[in-house]
Formats: sequence, structure tokens, C-alpha cells
Amino acid sequence: GQNIDQPTEMTATEGAIVQINCTYQTSGFNGLFWYQQHAGEAPTFLSYNVLDGLEEKGRFSSFLSRSKGYSYLLLKELQMKDSASYLCAVRGSTNAGKSTFGDGTTLTVKP
Amino acid sequence: DTEVTQTPKHLVMGMTNKKSLKCEQHMGHRAMYWYKQKAKKPPELMFVYSYEKLSINESVPSRFSPECPNSSLLNLHLHALQPEDSALYLCASSQERGAGLPDTQYFGPGTRLTVL
Repeated sequence: GQNIDQPTEMTATEGAIVQINCTYQTSGFNGLFWYQQHAGEAPTFLSYNVLDGLEEKGRFSSFLSRSKGYSYLLLKELQMKDSASYLCAVRGSTNAGKSTFGDGTTLTVKP
Repeated sequence: DTEVTQTPKHLVMGMTNKKSLKCEQHMGHRAMYWYKQKAKKPPELMFVYSYEKLSINESVPSRFSPECPNSSLLNLHLHALQPEDSALYLCASSQERGAGLPDTQYFGPGTRLTVL
């Protein structure tokens, strides 16, 4: 089976940096994805990692360590619009097409 | 075109009604998905179609019936639903690069379903 853990809630200040962690245990591994979801809206793709290391996309970076079953999403220069739920999803090696989502981390950005 | 569209945006139905949700993508993606999402919960996978064939059914009750008429369209037929089926129903698509390769899913805006 697959097990994914993320913190439930986080709070940060506008302009600051926040790191959202995700740990996973899966049957095989074919990529870890981060999605952003604003309340009442659909998830939107942010980044994916398949190899160890850091992937940077503007204010967002995602890191992966496959040996530790660990990833984080780093958000820099926080803006109020970054207040959302951040979902970590892992694609295992069985059942091609199936990704398992973590419960999501609700980030609140305060002025 | 990187968009997945879904209709309707909102749907209210009684427990005896029959309705359908529709999803469309023109990105040439060969995998399409239905998810159910309750408030403050992550998306919960229901069905996966790969190359127009049903590849995953996550033990979904038969009152939900998926259909993939062609590679761009995905339907979800609803019949005799229960109030607890009220949720946001999300459609997604991906390239379907096969096991061993990452495959980003792109989500539609969802249909907000209320069952009375």
C-alpha cells in the first residue's frame, strides 16, 4: 500500500519562506508531485520530482530524497494568494496511472 | 490548449434522478481520471481510463458508471445517488507514459454535485 504524511496546517507571514514536508512509503516509486488547491477550486500542478535533488520553478522549489522517502515544497517571497492547500501525491510502480494523494497541508499567509 | 473542461459546474439532483457529468480534453492525453473530493479532504480516485479502456475501478458503487466514448471525452453517469455522494467531482487527464515514468495529471474545474 501507499502511505503519505504531510502536516495538516501551517501559518506563515507575507514575504517569508515556508517549507512544507511530505514523507511517503510506497510500493515502488515513479514520481512525486505537488499540487496547489485553493478553496472550492481544482488542484493545479506545481512541480514533480523523479530523481533526487532540487527542482526550482520561480518562487517554488521542490526537493526529493528517494532513500529517505521524503520531499519538501519550498515557497519563497510568500504572497497572500499563496494561501491554499498543498497536496503531495506519489505515483507508485504498480497500477500505472494511479497516484496517491496526501491529505494536504493548509497554508495560511498572514500580512 | 492545456485545459480540461467539465460540465456542468454545479448540479443538484434528487435520489431518483439520472444525470451525467462530462469531461473533455484536447491535449492528446491518453489517460483520463475521475476523482471525488469532499470538503477539506484530498481527491479520492474513482476510475482511470487508459487508451479508452477502463484500467482502474477503485471499488466504486455501481450507481456511478463511467464511459469513455473517445480519447478526448469522459463521462460519469449517475443514478440513484445518495446524499452522502454530494461532493466535488474532478476530472483529470495525463499523457499516460506508462509504468516507470512520471505522468503529470491536469485537473478540470470540477462539478459541484448536491444530492437531495
